[in-house]
Amino acid sequence: DGGITQSPKYLFRKEGQNVTLSCEQNLNHDAMYWYRQDPGQGLRLIYYSQIVNDFQKGDIAEGYSVSREKKESFPLTVTSAQKNPTAFYLCASSIRRDRDLNTEAFFGQGTRLTVV
Amino acid sequence: DQQVKQNSPSLSVQEGRISILNCDYTNSMFDYFLWYKKYPAEGPTFLISISSIKDKNEDGRFTVFLNKSAKHLSLHIVPSQPGDSAVYFCAASPTYNTDKLIFGTGTRLQVFP
Repeated sequence: DGGITQSPKYLFRKEGQNVTLSCEQNLNHDAMYWYRQDPGQGLRLIYYSQIVNDFQKGDIAEGYSVSREKKESFPLTVTSAQKNPTAFYLCASSIRRDRDLNTEAFFGQGTRLTVV
Repeated sequence: DQQVKQNSPSLSVQEGRISILNCDYTNSMFDYFLWYKKYPAEGPTFLISISSIKDKNEDGRFTVFLNKSAKHLSLHIVPSQPGDSAVYFCAASPTYNTDKLIFGTGTRLQVFP
């Protein structure tokens, strides 16, 4: 059963602590993404990666870090530098468009992070 | 700077009628557009897409129209069903970075009996 898995579903963090959100896919996709959803602001791109060991900043990368050591995995670390970390975080993956022009991204079920 | 805009935060439609969701974009380099549907506390699911070489794409009850000169696309759902009630996002991808997918702010559709 192929898919994209995010864990945990709910995460609580004390202010000032770093926390890492997991994202794993077994779809053999090259591209992976992290988005953040806030009420009224849609999905905003944090980071994306088109290939292993490479990633690019999205529109709101400040206070976040990522790694892409394996094709299947793209963990996101929310650092203490992120001013408003409480949000719903979504991971996605896709075939690269240079291989399939008409492709779509598949999303995980999301992780809700709450800073307490 | 919001490159993909959905100016209607919500839409209410009677069951059986047509739902029309709109999306505007500012970047003329976008060449591929997608619509996603999202339920609360879940990840978005893909609905339909359209390439900039087309002006219409249809899949069952869902049709997407693209007007490149106006930088506008719309999603038509006919007939609307209560199960269509969700938040709908449009997304776009530019030619210069085909893997960068930029989403709009979403429109909440409610279909009532």
